[in-house]
Amino acid sequence: DIVMTQSPDSLAVSLGETATINCKSSQSLLYSSNNRNYLAWYQQRPGQSPKLLIYWASAREPGVPDRFSGSGSGTHFTLTISNLQAEDVAVYYCHQYYDTPLHTFGQGTKLEIK
Amino acid sequence: EVQLVESGGGLVQPGGSLRLSCAASGFTFSQYWMDWVRQVPGKGLVWVSRINTDGTTTDYAESVKGRFTISRDNAENTVFLQMNSLRVEDTAIYYCVRNGLLYSSSWYDNWGQGTLVTVSS
Repeated sequence: DIVMTQSPDSLAVSLGETATINCKSSQSLLYSSNNRNYLAWYQQRPGQSPKLLIYWASAREPGVPDRFSGSGSGTHFTLTISNLQAEDVAVYYCHQYYDTPLHTFGQGTKLEIK
Repeated sequence: EVQLVESGGGLVQPGGSLRLSCAASGFTFSQYWMDWVRQVPGKGLVWVSRINTDGTTTDYAESVKGRFTISRDNAENTVFLQMNSLRVEDTAIYYCVRNGLLYSSSWYDNWGQGTLVTVSS
């Protein structure tokens, strides 16, 4: 199985500032035939279901604010949330869909307001 | 609007069975792979099972293989998860999820609200 490791486990950021969440995979998620990274990011607000933010490592899901951006390739990926808003308080998960059917998720990163 | 509505969760004793259902609407159900993902409250997300568009391909996590069965009814726009020989460690919220790409396994672009399964004596 591909192991996904997020860092940090939690972070507190001031309103208006930038939050950075990292995700490392135990093997490359870059598929050479299409040059795509099989990595997605989700936001789970308290008491809610997860919501897709980013797929193909950097493609933003329609309707997601452009404050959310994804980057990285191979085994190292980053979710960046700029101009942090109160509604961004949530747990964020990365998800690899390279190794099908054994999709795996990171352990989650809890984002709070400082 | 895409909607996924799970039902069938509840309290069951170890060794018992439950059948989860997920009613889909707002899209052409037969064009999408469907998965089940579970989450112990307060913990992370774990993939459980998946089924392809016509139901001919199914896969399971090792932890549920031989005990859970996924199926779908494209005429009724519903996906099911039959859970037998339930264990305490199966206690979780079970989410029905839609894969984001047509006719492919991929990221999950829509999630249901989840249904809680509690296995306890």
